[in-house]
Amino acid sequence: AQKITQTQPGMFVQEKEAVTLDCTYDTSDQSYGLFWYKQPSSGEMIFLIYQGSYDEQNATEGRYSLNFQKARKSANLVISASQLGDSAMYFCAMREGQHMKTSYDKVIFGPGTSLSVIP
Amino acid sequence: DTEVTQTPKHLVMGMTNKKSLKCEQHMGHRAMYWYKQKAKKPPELMFVYSYEKLSINESVPSRFSPECPNSSLLNLHLHALQPEDSALYLCASSQDWMRGRTTNEKLFFGSGTQLSVL
Repeated sequence: AQKITQTQPGMFVQEKEAVTLDCTYDTSDQSYGLFWYKQPSSGEMIFLIYQGSYDEQNATEGRYSLNFQKARKSANLVISASQLGDSAMYFCAMREGQHMKTSYDKVIFGPGTSLSVIP
Repeated sequence: DTEVTQTPKHLVMGMTNKKSLKCEQHMGHRAMYWYKQKAKKPPELMFVYSYEKLSINESVPSRFSPECPNSSLLNLHLHALQPEDSALYLCASSQDWMRGRTTNEKLFFGSGTQLSVL
């Protein structure tokens, strides 16, 4: 069963506009971490933002914010004031924390969303 | 220095060749990872090393052989690969890796080695 779902294979956004990239996840653990990574065409995966399952406040890092809705199991990434350099693949990822599970402490990536910023 | 350095950036090899991918980090991280990524797909975990010991092997075929000579270096030895092994191979590191305690450990990735097997 897919643990991370990103329903938007491709997105377009006008430069300087805000954009929301969707991510839903599936876990039975109480303790887990959610991450967003950016992968430009150069190939390197760049960490953007982290949200812990026990964090009560939504995470923010500069122009990036994470809209965390725990009951809905969603962790959407919001990019404000889009720039041309934001054009890339964006991956939502999760690290589960419950021990004794074979999948724990592995970072699981979603299928990704390709974002294109239009000048 | 927050870099993970991978060499070579590109590699073309025949099915009978032996080659190695190298990864280096100087951030004092004690966990290192190999991921395989096919085009337009997410990265798939292959191996995890923690404190220079192999901790996770995701049922990777034996034609891929990882090695961690010290805490800063990670190698992936390749032998008798198949054309379907062509992919981007990403190395990553994180500060620590302990079962059940590292849900907030972010990964630092290298730029990857684009491997083509002919």
